[in-house]
Amino acid sequence: NFMLTQPHSVSESPGKTVNISCTRSSGSIGSNYVQWYQQRPGSAPTTVIYEDNQRPSGVPDRFSGSIDSSSNSASLTISGLKTEDEADYYCQSYDSINVIFGGGTKLTVL
Amino acid sequence: QVQLVESGGGVVQPGRSLRLSCVASGFTFRSYGIHWVRQAPGKGLEWVAVIWYDGSHKYYVDSVKGRFTISRDNSKNTLYLQMNSLRAEDTAMYYCARDEWFGELSWAFDIWGQGTMVTVSS
Repeated sequence: NFMLTQPHSVSESPGKTVNISCTRSSGSIGSNYVQWYQQRPGSAPTTVIYEDNQRPSGVPDRFSGSIDSSSNSASLTISGLKTEDEADYYCQSYDSINVIFGGGTKLTVL
Repeated sequence: QVQLVESGGGVVQPGRSLRLSCVASGFTFRSYGIHWVRQAPGKGLEWVAVIWYDGSHKYYVDSVKGRFTISRDNSKNTLYLQMNSLRAEDTAMYYCARDEWFGELSWAFDIWGQGTMVTVSS
């Protein structure tokens, strides 16, 4: 199994853009889709990006996803940051019959 | 409204058993695989198990194999997690989550329940 590594925390000001990385330890990042989940304090996770770069209905287009084969990583980009975006973000992929989560990134909007 | 609602959590002693339930509504339950995902207090997400839409295949994370059993009753739109021989390290919020794809597994989640808390302590 591979691992997905995320920065422990990031912070940015309202209105700015932030990128959260998710680096795959082995195997190609493009081999399996990557998803991103948002978890606000005290709440269940919700999906903000699926299949690398697809946005579920209801998720603002300020959220976008991408993958970069050169760095073997996926990225979640949030533009026009709002205080309501403050949350933990988890990337997720899979390998054979096992689901793999990144350790999560705490986004602070200050 | 597409919804998953978990129940059955509580405080249980080490070595004892507990059964969690997850009731689905607002979609064709029998057409989707469903997962259990847990989150220990202050920690990240950990996938626990999945069951195919028809119950034909089930897979588990290594740490619960032989102790936990996932099952479903499509006539009741309900998913279960039977947890035996519970350990302190099983203490977590347990979420059920719908697999994204209709009729097969994508190994990704699109709908999450609100969770039910399991505490294993003497």
